[in-house]
Amino acid sequence: DADVTQTPRNRITKTGKRIMLECSQTKGHDRMYWYRQDPGLGLRLIYYSFDVKDINKGEISDGYSVSRQAQAKFSLSLESAIPNQTALYFCATSDLGASGKGNEQFFGPGTRLTVL
Amino acid sequence: DQQVKQNSPSLSVQEGRISILNCDYTNSMFDYFLWYKKYPAEGPTFLISISSIKDKNEDGRFTVFLNKSAKHLSLHIVPSQPGDSAVYFCAAFGSGNTGKLIFGQGTTLQVKP
Repeated sequence: DADVTQTPRNRITKTGKRIMLECSQTKGHDRMYWYRQDPGLGLRLIYYSFDVKDINKGEISDGYSVSRQAQAKFSLSLESAIPNQTALYFCATSDLGASGKGNEQFFGPGTRLTVL
Repeated sequence: DQQVKQNSPSLSVQEGRISILNCDYTNSMFDYFLWYKKYPAEGPTFLISISSIKDKNEDGRFTVFLNKSAKHLSLHIVPSQPGDSAVYFCAAFGSGNTGKLIFGQGTTLQVKP
């Protein structure tokens, strides 16, 4: 079973619709992250959370919101989707300085979102 | 402002040869670097890392070199195998335990049989 799961895996929606992407993890990590990947731009951080009561904006948070429902769940919402939010979205988790590998992050399989 | 840059969008090498993927960074406060590999339809997976107190870290066929004075790191894959064909991302942590990774744009490696 995957440690970090994302639903849905693919979604096509229309401009102005509200969309929620969900992420669950079984790794027991406190830290969770949402990224988007665009061609030629790598992965950019949208929001991150270091524990259930902690939410922080990343470098591209405009147009997005998040909810940390539990240690294991972190959802990303697009309140009113627009075409330039078409991208691949990844959730990731990490522990605090785990196993001497630094703050390695573990990624989910991604959600491909298309906004028409 | 791209603090972590991978200036080569793609690289093609022959099976058995060495693959060298490069990464440059601008922030001298970065103190920990990671390489991730990503296959299509999958999330990135951690490959290898290096702390700024080292200049080399090796794990099997993968070696990462860090040149702090040049703010440059590279990933060497020897020998390259077709299964290594993927997108490789370089990433950096800032000083302190912020947990925030800064990623490069990625380099697509193709290893030809």
